[in-house]
Amino acid sequence: GAVVSQHPSWVICKSGTSVKIECRSLDFQATTMFWYRQFPKQSLMLMATSNEGSKATYEQGVEKDKFLINHASLTLSTLTVTSAHPEDSSFYICSATFSGEEQYFGPGTRLTVT
Amino acid sequence: TQLLEQSPQFLSIQEGENLTVYCNSSSVFSSLQWYRQEPGEGPVLLVTVVTGGEVKKLKRLTFQFGDARKDSSLHITAAQPGDTGLYLCAGPSGGYQKVTFGTGTKLQVIP
Repeated sequence: GAVVSQHPSWVICKSGTSVKIECRSLDFQATTMFWYRQFPKQSLMLMATSNEGSKATYEQGVEKDKFLINHASLTLSTLTVTSAHPEDSSFYICSATFSGEEQYFGPGTRLTVT
Repeated sequence: TQLLEQSPQFLSIQEGENLTVYCNSSSVFSSLQWYRQEPGEGPVLLVTVVTGGEVKKLKRLTFQFGDARKDSSLHITAAQPGDTGLYLCAGPSGGYQKVTFGTGTKLQVIP
């Protein structure tokens, strides 16, 4: 149980365009979802915390107007990278929790901006 | 911000060797978790330690939480190629359900 999926698994887009990444909890209702980014050979950095029906809380240094997060239901959160640039190329990972004791991670989305 | 420093950053060993990965902080944590992440995938939780001095074993992996709850270690006995991956420690970071990840240790086990 406690499976989290992400879609797409990888995406290539042109500079200036927007990209939407979905995060779904498949077999449980997630009270909270988290979005991370990970650069090559580095650790995970938390971008924002998302609760269903409320505005996301962004970490310091993360532009909320660039990384739009929508948490429309207890099983779906989306991250939209607006006006993407090559420096936004990264591995984006979401996680979901329902008990507060453990986060269940998605398989990640590789974004490449050309 | 509570920082978690891991050492070593990179480790390349031969199959059958033993190794230890360290996770250190100047802050006290109520608990620490260890994850393994394979390339192109999300991290997978290995263990959570919650009591100072606690030792947990998971087959060939032994996890220890420091007495002062500021550090933790992961010891792997007789490493196998399947142990290859990025090992991450993580701890609660003050916000509700938020965690901070350590700097990571990339392990390569050569057959």
